Amino acid sequence: DTAVSQTPKYLVTQMGNDKSIKCEQNLGHDTMYWYKQDSKKFLKIMFSYNNKELIINETVPNRFSPKSPDKAHLNLHINSLELGDSAVYFCASSTPIGDTGPYEQYFGPGTRLTVT
Amino acid sequence: TQLLEQSPQFLSIQEGENLTVYCNSSSVFSSLQWYRQEPGEGPVLLVTVVTGGEVKKLKRLTFQFGDARKDSSLHITAAQPGDTGLYLCAGAPGYSSASKIIFGSGTRLSIRP
Repeated sequence: DTAVSQTPKYLVTQMGNDKSIKCEQNLGHDTMYWYKQDSKKFLKIMFSYNNKELIINETVPNRFSPKSPDKAHLNLHINSLELGDSAVYFCASSTPIGDTGPYEQYFGPGTRLTVT
Repeated sequence: TQLLEQSPQFLSIQEGENLTVYCNSSSVFSSLQWYRQEPGEGPVLLVTVVTGGEVKKLKRLTFQFGDARKDSSLHITAAQPGDTGLYLCAGAPGYSSASKIIFGSGTRLSIRP
Protein backbone atom coordinates (compact mmCIF):
# COMPACT_ATOMS: atom_id res chain seq x y z
CA ASP A 1 0.00 0.00 0.00
CA THR A 2 1.88 3.02 -1.26
CA ALA A 3 1.21 6.11 0.85
CA VAL A 4 2.67 8.81 -1.42
CA SER A 5 3.40 7.83 -5.00
CA GLN A 6 5.02 9.75 -7.84
CA THR A 7 5.33 9.11 -11.54
CA PRO A 8 7.60 8.87 -13.33
CA LYS A 9 10.53 7.70 -11.18
CA TYR A 10 13.03 8.84 -13.80
CA LEU A 11 12.63 11.52 -16.45
CA VAL A 12 15.28 12.30 -19.04
CA THR A 13 14.48 15.06 -21.49
CA GLN A 14 16.04 17.76 -23.61
CA MET A 15 16.29 21.44 -22.92
CA GLY A 16 13.25 23.38 -24.01
CA ASN A 17 10.78 20.53 -23.56
CA ASP A 18 7.72 20.63 -21.31
CA LYS A 19 7.17 17.83 -18.81
CA SER A 20 4.86 16.88 -15.94
CA ILE A 21 5.31 14.91 -12.74
CA LYS A 22 2.29 13.43 -10.98
CA CYS A 23 1.78 12.77 -7.28
CA GLU A 24 -0.96 10.96 -5.40
CA GLN A 25 -1.42 10.28 -1.69
CA ASN A 26 -3.84 7.83 -0.11
CA LEU A 27 -3.30 8.98 3.47
CA GLY A 28 -6.26 11.33 3.57
CA HIS A 29 -3.99 14.31 4.29
CA ASP A 30 -5.13 17.84 3.50
CA THR A 31 -1.72 19.33 2.74
CA MET A 32 0.67 18.42 -0.08
CA TYR A 33 4.06 19.78 -1.13
CA TRP A 34 6.65 19.81 -3.86
CA TYR A 35 10.31 19.87 -2.85
CA LYS A 36 13.47 20.06 -4.93
CA GLN A 37 16.64 18.23 -3.82
CA ASP A 38 19.82 19.34 -5.52
CA SER A 39 23.00 17.39 -6.16
CA LYS A 40 24.29 18.30 -2.68
CA LYS A 41 21.15 16.74 -1.17
CA PHE A 42 19.79 20.11 -0.01
CA LEU A 43 16.00 19.87 0.18
CA LYS A 44 14.04 23.03 -0.52
CA ILE A 45 10.31 23.61 -0.54
CA MET A 46 8.77 24.85 -3.78
CA PHE A 47 4.99 24.78 -3.30
CA SER A 48 2.37 23.69 -0.83
CA TYR A 49 -1.36 23.15 -1.23
CA ASN A 50 -3.97 22.78 1.48
CA ASN A 51 -7.29 21.36 0.31
CA LYS A 52 -6.50 22.32 -3.30
CA GLU A 53 -5.56 25.87 -2.33
CA LEU A 54 -2.02 27.18 -2.87
CA ILE A 55 -0.60 28.25 0.51
CA ILE A 56 3.16 28.30 -0.08
CA ASN A 57 4.76 29.58 -3.27
CA GLU A 58 8.48 29.96 -2.89
CA THR A 59 10.72 31.92 -5.25
CA VAL A 60 10.44 29.50 -8.13
CA PRO A 61 10.58 30.40 -11.85
CA ASN A 62 7.09 30.74 -13.30
CA ARG A 63 8.00 27.93 -15.71
CA PHE A 64 6.98 25.70 -12.80
CA SER A 65 3.23 25.41 -12.34
CA PRO A 66 1.63 23.16 -9.73
CA LYS A 67 -1.94 21.94 -10.03
CA SER A 68 -4.09 20.20 -7.46
CA PRO A 69 -7.26 18.72 -9.00
CA ASP A 70 -8.30 17.33 -5.61
CA LYS A 71 -6.70 17.05 -2.19
CA ALA A 72 -5.22 13.63 -2.97
CA HIS A 73 -3.35 14.76 -6.08
CA LEU A 74 -0.69 17.39 -6.73
CA ASN A 75 0.97 17.61 -10.12
CA LEU A 76 3.93 19.69 -11.24
CA HIS A 77 4.25 20.96 -14.80
CA ILE A 78 7.52 22.43 -16.00
CA ASN A 79 7.75 24.47 -19.19
CA SER A 80 10.86 25.16 -21.27
CA LEU A 81 13.12 22.91 -19.23
CA GLU A 82 16.64 24.16 -18.51
CA LEU A 83 19.83 22.34 -17.52
CA GLY A 84 19.58 23.80 -14.01
CA ASP A 85 16.23 22.09 -13.48
CA SER A 86 18.02 18.74 -13.20
CA ALA A 87 17.38 17.50 -9.67
CA VAL A 88 15.25 15.08 -7.69
CA TYR A 89 11.73 16.34 -7.09
CA PHE A 90 9.85 15.03 -4.08
CA CYS A 91 6.17 15.18 -3.39
CA ALA A 92 5.05 15.02 0.23
CA SER A 93 1.84 15.15 2.20
CA SER A 94 1.37 16.07 5.82
CA THR A 95 -0.96 15.83 8.75
CA PRO A 96 -0.93 17.75 12.04
CA ILE A 97 -0.04 16.14 15.35
CA GLY A 98 -3.16 16.82 17.37
CA ASP A 99 -5.58 19.50 16.21
CA THR A 100 -3.16 22.27 15.26
CA GLY A 101 0.25 20.83 14.53
CA PRO A 102 3.16 20.58 14.13
CA TYR A 103 2.87 18.85 10.78
CA GLU A 104 4.53 15.53 10.07
CA GLN A 105 5.50 14.96 6.46
CA TYR A 106 5.42 11.79 4.39
CA PHE A 107 7.52 11.82 1.26
CA GLY A 108 7.14 10.06 -2.05
CA PRO A 109 10.04 8.15 -3.63
CA GLY A 110 11.11 11.09 -5.78
CA THR A 111 11.40 11.79 -9.50
CA ARG A 112 14.92 12.14 -10.84
CA LEU A 113 14.78 14.71 -13.63
CA THR A 114 17.75 14.96 -15.99
CA VAL A 115 17.76 17.71 -18.57
CA THR A 116 20.28 17.28 -21.40
CA THR B 1 16.43 33.78 6.18
CA GLN B 2 16.34 30.89 8.60
CA LEU B 3 19.11 28.33 8.19
CA LEU B 4 19.83 25.00 9.79
CA GLU B 5 23.46 23.90 9.83
CA GLN B 6 24.24 20.25 10.42
CA SER B 7 27.55 18.85 11.55
CA PRO B 8 29.40 16.87 10.64
CA GLN B 9 28.58 16.74 6.94
CA PHE B 10 30.09 13.28 6.60
CA LEU B 11 30.77 10.63 9.23
CA SER B 12 32.20 7.17 8.74
CA ILE B 13 32.60 4.99 11.81
CA GLN B 14 32.97 1.38 12.79
CA GLU B 15 29.99 -0.76 13.79
CA GLY B 16 29.44 -0.63 17.53
CA GLU B 17 30.70 2.92 18.04
CA ASN B 18 28.59 5.81 19.29
CA LEU B 19 28.04 9.06 17.42
CA THR B 20 26.29 12.40 17.67
CA VAL B 21 24.98 14.60 14.89
CA TYR B 22 24.21 18.26 15.52
CA CYS B 23 21.68 20.63 14.02
CA ASN B 24 22.14 24.33 14.81
CA SER B 25 20.41 27.58 13.99
CA SER B 26 20.30 31.16 15.18
CA SER B 27 16.50 31.09 14.80
CA VAL B 28 13.85 29.68 17.11
CA PHE B 29 11.66 26.88 15.81
CA SER B 30 8.27 25.74 17.06
CA SER B 31 9.22 22.16 16.36
CA LEU B 32 12.08 20.20 14.95
CA GLN B 33 12.08 16.92 13.09
CA TRP B 34 14.68 14.37 12.09
CA TYR B 35 14.44 12.36 8.88
CA ARG B 36 16.54 9.57 7.41
CA GLN B 37 16.91 9.22 3.66
CA GLU B 38 18.31 6.18 1.87
CA PRO B 39 19.61 6.27 -1.73
CA GLY B 40 16.82 6.44 -4.30
CA GLU B 41 14.13 7.01 -1.71
CA GLY B 42 12.37 9.89 -0.02
CA PRO B 43 13.12 11.07 3.51
CA VAL B 44 11.40 9.10 6.27
CA LEU B 45 10.34 10.87 9.46
CA LEU B 46 12.06 9.55 12.60
CA VAL B 47 10.88 11.93 15.30
CA THR B 48 9.26 15.30 16.07
CA VAL B 49 10.27 17.33 19.13
CA VAL B 50 8.29 20.37 20.21
CA THR B 51 9.32 21.38 23.74
CA GLY B 52 12.61 23.03 24.66
CA GLY B 53 14.81 20.46 26.40
CA GLU B 54 12.68 17.56 25.20
CA VAL B 55 14.40 14.19 24.83
CA LYS B 56 12.93 11.35 22.79
CA LYS B 57 14.30 7.86 22.34
CA LEU B 58 13.77 5.52 19.43
CA LYS B 59 15.58 2.26 20.22
CA ARG B 60 19.30 3.17 19.95
CA LEU B 61 18.58 6.72 18.73
CA THR B 62 18.23 9.60 21.20
CA PHE B 63 16.96 12.98 20.01
CA GLN B 64 17.19 16.19 22.01
CA PHE B 65 15.71 19.63 21.36
CA GLY B 66 17.75 22.50 22.79
CA ASP B 67 16.35 24.49 25.69
CA ALA B 68 16.06 27.61 23.51
CA ARG B 69 14.54 25.60 20.63
CA LYS B 70 17.35 26.71 18.28
CA ASP B 71 19.26 23.45 18.06
CA SER B 72 18.95 19.69 18.25
CA SER B 73 21.11 16.61 18.43
CA LEU B 74 20.80 13.01 17.37
CA HIS B 75 22.84 10.44 19.29
CA ILE B 76 23.19 6.86 18.07
CA THR B 77 24.44 4.21 20.45
CA ALA B 78 26.23 1.11 19.15
CA ALA B 79 25.80 2.05 15.49
CA GLN B 80 24.91 -0.69 13.04
CA PRO B 81 25.32 -0.89 9.25
CA GLY B 82 21.54 -0.47 8.95
CA ASP B 83 21.91 3.06 10.38
CA THR B 84 23.76 4.12 7.22
CA GLY B 85 22.00 6.94 5.40
CA LEU B 86 21.50 10.68 5.04
CA TYR B 87 20.14 12.28 8.20
CA LEU B 88 18.22 15.53 7.81
CA CYS B 89 16.95 17.83 10.51
CA ALA B 90 14.02 20.08 9.67
CA GLY B 91 12.61 23.02 11.61
CA ALA B 92 9.17 24.58 11.45
CA PRO B 93 8.86 28.26 12.43
CA GLY B 94 5.19 27.84 13.27
CA TYR B 95 2.49 25.24 13.74
CA SER B 96 0.23 25.92 10.75
CA SER B 97 0.20 24.07 7.45
CA ALA B 98 1.51 27.27 5.84
CA SER B 99 4.63 27.22 8.01
CA LYS B 100 7.59 26.62 5.69
CA ILE B 101 9.69 23.75 6.94
CA ILE B 102 13.40 24.47 6.65
CA PHE B 103 15.68 21.50 6.05
CA GLY B 104 19.24 21.25 7.30
CA SER B 105 22.25 20.66 5.11
CA GLY B 106 22.31 16.92 5.95
CA THR B 107 24.75 14.47 7.54
CA ARG B 108 25.81 11.49 5.49
CA LEU B 109 26.48 8.61 7.86
CA SER B 110 28.32 5.43 6.92
CA ILE B 111 28.69 2.53 9.35
CA ARG B 112 31.41 0.05 8.45
CA PRO B 113 30.83 -3.60 9.45
